Amino acid sequence: SSELTQDPAVSVALGQTVRITCQGDSLRSYYASWYQQKPGQAPVLVIYGKNNRPSGIPDRFSGSSSGNTASLTITGAQAEDEADYYCNSRDSSGNHLGVFGGGTKLTVL
Amino acid sequence: EVQLVESGGGLVQPGGSLRLSCAASGFTFSSYEMNWVRQAPGKGLEWVSYISSSGSTIYYADSVKGRFTISRDNAKNSLYLQMNSLRAEDTAVYYCARVATIIDYWGQGTLVTVSS
Repeated sequence: SSELTQDPAVSVALGQTVRITCQGDSLRSYYASWYQQKPGQAPVLVIYGKNNRPSGIPDRFSGSSSGNTASLTITGAQAEDEADYYCNSRDSSGNHLGVFGGGTKLTVL
Repeated sequence: EVQLVESGGGLVQPGGSLRLSCAASGFTFSSYEMNWVRQAPGKGLEWVSYISSSGSTIYYADSVKGRFTISRDNAKNSLYLQMNSLRAEDTAVYYCARVATIIDYWGQGTLVTVSS
């Protein structure tokens, strides 16, 4: 198994840019996926692969990766972006997607 | 439209058993790998188990190995999680999640509460 580390909480002023990071050894070999979760709701995929957005996800969400760190960037954060964000990647063997970061609580001020 | 609907959660005493189900629709279930992921109250996401599209390859988190069994019935478009010897720390919302190289869709979850 492996671990992914996220900052527990990040804040951003309305309309500003925020970056949420995820660190782990597995990210040297595999891309991270990013999920947004609002209270009482299931997670929703927002970014996957090198920098891909599912249909319906605003283009203010973007992803990047360097070394052992993956980043989710929100450019022009909106009030509705306030949520928990989780990164996910494969375990060290690459067999399954069994590794989640601890989550980052994003507050939009 | 992809839909994943979990059921079977509830209140169970420590040491008890529960079987969760996940009904899939809107896609060819037999072509996709599936995961169970759980979330304890106020906590983060924790991967529980994986099953390949045919059911021939299975993995478990160490925390549930030997107690939980994942299975699927492709003819019924259904995923299952048999949970035995339940502990208080298994209390969580359990999500089934579709894998298409990445986890792309999640169900709404079913709550399992282990308490006396």
